[in-house]
Amino acid sequence: DGGITQSPKYLFRKEGQNVTLSCEQNLNHDAMYWYRQDPGQGLRLIYYSQIVNDFQKGDIAEGYSVSREKKESFPLTVTSAQKNPTAFYLCASSIVVRAGELFFGEGSRLTVL
Amino acid sequence: DAKTTQPTSMDCAEGRAANLPCNHSTISGNEYVYWYRQIHSQGPQYIIHGLKNNETNEMASLIITEDRKSSTLILPHATLRDTAVYYCIVRGDPFTGTASKLTFGTGTRLQVTL
Repeated sequence: DGGITQSPKYLFRKEGQNVTLSCEQNLNHDAMYWYRQDPGQGLRLIYYSQIVNDFQKGDIAEGYSVSREKKESFPLTVTSAQKNPTAFYLCASSIVVRAGELFFGEGSRLTVL
Repeated sequence: DAKTTQPTSMDCAEGRAANLPCNHSTISGNEYVYWYRQIHSQGPQYIIHGLKNNETNEMASLIITEDRKSSTLILPHATLRDTAVYYCIVRGDPFTGTASKLTFGTGTRLQVTL
């Protein structure tokens, strides 16, 4: 079945540690996205990529980094520079030309202890 | 991107139609209206989108006013499984290169009750 897989589902880290969240899709979509969601809030765009080896900052990119070495994969690293990393992280993908229809993964919940 | 305004919450009895309104008074001529929903602790799910005409699919209907300043998502026979947060989103203008960005607000929390 085609879809988006995020891992891990739950992650705990200590302050000062970097952590990488995985996102893989087998939908053959060109575009991929990372969003952050805080309790009771909407989604905020962190980074997005429309093509391999290219990505753009979203609205809240500070303290995060991404790579897009393969079409299927778009990992997100939450660095120690991110002041408030505890959140629900959502990865999505879309066919570029129909960029309004996003397919989301099940999310990764990061808690910093 | 045009801003959207939605009620914070709504209730609907199971089996009845749920009508979720959205205001987008600053929408530009080539911006689409999209609707998504998010069931608790899951990723959002695309529902429907439209530009000017009313649209219908297996999940819902989308009614857009003639001046395009507002729209209504209709779930014709709501069930308990439709309880979720519903997001109304205006997609960035594709001709200015912002079409990849979808801005999710706080949405409307729909509670379907027995």
